[in-house]
Amino acid sequence: GAVVSQHPSRVICKSGTSVKIECRSLDFQATTMFWYRQFPKQSLMLMATSNEGSKATYEQGVEKDKFLINHASLTLSTLTVTSAHPEDSSFYICSASDTNNEQFFGPGTRLTVL
Amino acid sequence: AQSVAQPEDQVNVAEGNPLTVKCTYSVSGNPYLFWYVQYPNRGLQFLLKYITGDNLVKGSYGFEAEFNKSQTSFHLKKPSALVSDSALYFCAVRHPNSGNTPLVFGKGTRLSVIA
Repeated sequence: GAVVSQHPSRVICKSGTSVKIECRSLDFQATTMFWYRQFPKQSLMLMATSNEGSKATYEQGVEKDKFLINHASLTLSTLTVTSAHPEDSSFYICSASDTNNEQFFGPGTRLTVL
Repeated sequence: AQSVAQPEDQVNVAEGNPLTVKCTYSVSGNPYLFWYVQYPNRGLQFLLKYITGDNLVKGSYGFEAEFNKSQTSFHLKKPSALVSDSALYFCAVRHPNSGNTPLVFGKGTRLSVIA
């Protein structure tokens, strides 16, 4: 089946630094990828929709200058948390859509900002 | 707008007993419905989905779900629960004509299977 990977799986950084999270579709091409954020004991909240070769579409309340999304190829989307602060600590999950609009989820990235 | 409701934050069941995790949805037309499971610090694992056809859908790990259009429900069930089934379960919906749009998730239900 389709596999989506995320790297890193866990990252700890100092406040004020930037962190890049990669989402890759390993065995299929994904024109669209989605980025979600999950706080402890809560559901997944959609942050943005990432389309290959175009600008990402952000959900209301998500700062596009803080959460930079780049979808440069059909198998890779990146989320960069710029100038991270402790309140950005969360579990970030990506999903990728194949040509049948089936969505496959990555394993998630745990971000801890000190 | 599409929405999903999981009315129970927590479900407790004894090992070997049947389990049900409830889900109701709100979407116009015939929806695509999904169930996912999440273990601690892990991503979502797909369990099953309903697109069309038979209302009873069988999925991974012995789980099944029944699509009930009149009650707008898609409850997840398993005849005999295992301790290893303890996890967080999410119901999700997508409108079939919405193209390549993200899933809308319920808030999740934590299942605890007690030995």
